[in-house]
Amino acid sequence: EPEVTQTPSHQVTQMGQEVILRCVPISNHLYFYWYRQILGQKVEFLVSFYNNEISEKSEIFDDQFSVERPDGSNFTLKIRSTKLEDSAMYFCASSTDAEKAYEQYFGPGTRLTVT
Amino acid sequence: QKEVEQNSGPLSVPEGAIASLNCTYSDRVSQSFFWYRQYSGKSPELIMSIYSNGDKEDGRFTAQLNKASQYVSLLIRDSQPSDSATYLCAVNVHNQGGKLIFGQGTELSVKP
Repeated sequence: EPEVTQTPSHQVTQMGQEVILRCVPISNHLYFYWYRQILGQKVEFLVSFYNNEISEKSEIFDDQFSVERPDGSNFTLKIRSTKLEDSAMYFCASSTDAEKAYEQYFGPGTRLTVT
Repeated sequence: QKEVEQNSGPLSVPEGAIASLNCTYSDRVSQSFFWYRQYSGKSPELIMSIYSNGDKEDGRFTAQLNKASQYVSLLIRDSQPSDSATYLCAVNVHNQGGKLIFGQGTELSVKP
């Protein structure tokens, strides 16, 4: 069964460094998303992406964040200058553009630790 | 402020019983509703979606939606210890790019 994959599974970085989290969505999906979950807290929406542009973004997704679909398979989240409070699990998700457009399937996540 | 509210639990049920999980939401234009299961340290796994009022059954799971009361529930019949997890309610709002708003989740424990 097709699934969303994410790399790396765990990323440790120092405050102020740039990180890129990578995702390969399900191959026939056209909508892509990033969410994050701080330990013990809710899953929070960051951004949605369709047709090579951002569809929606949250207040969390400020100028330090960017997304890109550099080729036909990868979808990336970049954090330019990481802060301690960026430590969280980051989940990529994808969905189709049919009537089930909003049934989103999540990848296994990348645990980001900022020291 | 759009919110999705769930009882955090833990909800404890014996094996074989029915587990009932509840969720309320505040935005009247919410249009799609989802239940995800999240095992500790893992990602959310989609188990049910419901778009219109009434019941939707899939195996041991039944989702119920009442838009007038802004209420969605999940029933798990014949609960198994493997159902022990946190169940997340998620709501999609029209014209927000597929954004899902999640509740805090209800922790379910099924005792053998």
